[in-house]
Amino acid sequence: NAGVTQTPKFQVLKTGQSMTLQCAQDMNHEYMSWYRQDPGMGLRLIHYSVGAGITDQGEVPNGYNVSRSTTEDFPLRLLSAAPSQTSVYFCASSRVEGSPLHFGNGTRLTVT
Amino acid sequence: GENVEQHPSTLSVQEGDSAVIKCTYSDSASNYFPWYKQELGKGPQLIIDIRSNVGEKKDQRIAVTLNKTAKHFSLHITETQPEDSAVYFCALGAGSYQLTFGKGTKLSVIP
Repeated sequence: NAGVTQTPKFQVLKTGQSMTLQCAQDMNHEYMSWYRQDPGMGLRLIHYSVGAGITDQGEVPNGYNVSRSTTEDFPLRLLSAAPSQTSVYFCASSRVEGSPLHFGNGTRLTVT
Repeated sequence: GENVEQHPSTLSVQEGDSAVIKCTYSDSASNYFPWYKQELGKGPQLIIDIRSNVGEKKDQRIAVTLNKTAKHFSLHITETQPEDSAVYFCALGAGSYQLTFGKGTKLSVIP
């Protein structure tokens, strides 16, 4: 059982470039979310989805887009990367409200 | 949104000693209190959770206590081992999918 799979593991971008961080889960979870983790800041919610076709903003959504066309996949798009988006990004999913979040192993992104 | 304060930010203990990490919150609607362990280069992993109708829960060397009146909950690790060294996050939920996370505690267990 793969759980939550994130690709790539590492990425370096130049300012202004675009890219998509991939996230897939095989647990049939309805809820999926993206967090960024920065030193001393904990985990901050970027965007989330409660089902296919439904997305909403979290605490720090600016500069990021998401879509949810299937239950399994929840990609995060950076349209024009900025150095402030240098971070470790985690995708997480859960089955029902008030249940544990399952995290992927993260994508470490550096924007120069 | 909900705010959760986690203390301490770093904690060093001798192997075999106990470690305690505390989180305080303000929203009385919070009813789900999980703890996550994050090892280097990996994503956070749930180690124990508690709901608002329970005051304490234990799983081997790990326990969580909840004081809803005072609005705080704590993680207790007994007989610490080097493999307990990691960053620990508390989190809380209020009846929805979303969790609010503390800023983490880096625990170092010294052999």
